[in-house]
Amino acid sequence: NAGVTQTPKFRVLKTGQSMTLLCAQDMNHEYMYWYRQDPGMGLRLIHYSVGEGTTAKGEVPDGYNVSRLKKQNFLLGLESAAPSQTSVYFCASGGVSGANVLTFGAGSRLTVL
Amino acid sequence: GQNIDQPTEMTATEGAIVQINCTYQTSGFNGLFWYQQHAGEAPTFLSYNVLDGLEEKGRFSSFLSRSKGYSYLLLKELQMKDSASYLCAAMDSNYQLIWGAGTKLIIKP
Repeated sequence: NAGVTQTPKFRVLKTGQSMTLLCAQDMNHEYMYWYRQDPGMGLRLIHYSVGEGTTAKGEVPDGYNVSRLKKQNFLLGLESAAPSQTSVYFCASGGVSGANVLTFGAGSRLTVL
Repeated sequence: GQNIDQPTEMTATEGAIVQINCTYQTSGFNGLFWYQQHAGEAPTFLSYNVLDGLEEKGRFSSFLSRSKGYSYLLLKELQMKDSASYLCAAMDSNYQLIWGAGTKLIIKP
């Protein structure tokens, strides 16, 4: 049982390039989330999804887009990367209840030069 | 606004006890979570409190006081492997998690 899998684990981009981070979960969870984690700051929610075909903005959505075409996958896109998007990105998934425990992926470290 | 406060760093000795405090201010409240995060790894769930009181789980215990907006995580019989960051997160009325910056716990032999 893999849990939550993120790809890629590391990526270096140049300013203006685009990329997509893929998150896949095999726990049949309804809720999926994308967070970024920066030094000295708490996890900040970028976008989230409460089910297949739905997405919603979190705390810091600007510069990012997401899609949830299949229940098990949640994609995070950067259309035109900026140095401010250098961060560690975590995907997480949870069950149907709002007060649910999140399972996190291993993280994707993105550097934008 | 919504806010979580926890100490940035704490140091403790192997075999000892340490208490990591967390205070929160949220719009509504649906529970308090503690996660453990080893360096370079993903956060993993430790505990969840929604009612006042102490929840014990092995060497780890978590306490909640809703009236004071306060929680703590108590770690007993510290082991070197407990060196990690401990993240406090409160769930608001919209079931969104508000995360603290984490407390880095350093265990010395």
